[in-house]
Amino acid sequence: DIVMTQSPDSLAVSLGERATINCKSSQSVLHSSNNKNNLAWYQQKPGQPPKLLIYWASTRESGVPDRFSGSGSGTDFTLTISSLRAEDVAVYYCQQYFDFPPTFGQGTEVEIK
Amino acid sequence: QAQLVQSGAEVKKPGASVRVSCRASGYTFSNYYMHWLRQAPGQGLEWMGIINPSGENTRYLEKLRGRFTMTRDTSTSTVYMDLSGLRSEDTAVYLCARGSPVDYYTMDVWGKATAVIVSS
Repeated sequence: DIVMTQSPDSLAVSLGERATINCKSSQSVLHSSNNKNNLAWYQQKPGQPPKLLIYWASTRESGVPDRFSGSGSGTDFTLTISSLRAEDVAVYYCQQYFDFPPTFGQGTEVEIK
Repeated sequence: QAQLVQSGAEVKKPGASVRVSCRASGYTFSNYYMHWLRQAPGQGLEWMGIINPSGENTRYLEKLRGRFTMTRDTSTSTVYMDLSGLRSEDTAVYLCARGSPVDYYTMDVWGKATAVIVSS
C-alpha cells in the first residue's frame, strides 16, 4: 500500500496568516497517461464528516474558497491556506487514489495561534 | 442537494455482527459508486470498501476480507455495510461517502457517521 505522511501533525497560525501543510507519498502518484497527480485534500471540522477540498493535487472542488490551494507533483504535495480564517480550524487529510487501496495521511490539525 | 443519511449508533458485543445503512437523496443514486470508511477514536481515516453503481462489483480492504460486505438497494437508494466477528478494534465511527464523478476513488458527499462500539 502507498503510505501517505503529512507534516506537521499540528500547526498554530495567526488569523490572516498563511498555513502550509505537506504530504509525502511513499511512491509517485503521477499518472503518466494523463500527467495528473491522483492526490486529494479533505477538511474535517470537529464533529463533522470530511469535506473534499482539492483533487488532481491542485483543482479546487466547486464552492471551495480560493484561499485554499494545492500544489506539488510526484511524491511531494502541499496544501496552502493563504489567509487563515477562524472557520478553517480543522484537521486536513491528504489521500492518494493512484493505487488500490486508497490511503490517507494521518492528518494535520490546524488551529489559531 | 445530495445528502447521505446514516443509521443510528450501535453497541455490540465482541464476535457479533453489525449492519449500518446509508440512504442517499438529492441525486441519481444508481449513477454513483459508494464507499465506506471508518475513523477510530482520535485517529485518521481508514478506507474500507467500494461498490459500483450496479452493485455487481465490490472491492474491499484486504485486512477486512471475509468479515466485511457492502451491498446496495437501488429501489431505496440505500447502501449497506455488514461487519462480522466484531473486535474491540472495530470500535469507530463509520462513514459512507459517494464516489466523485471526477474520479470515483475520491469522495465528494459524506454521511454524518455512525458510531459502532464493541464492548463486552
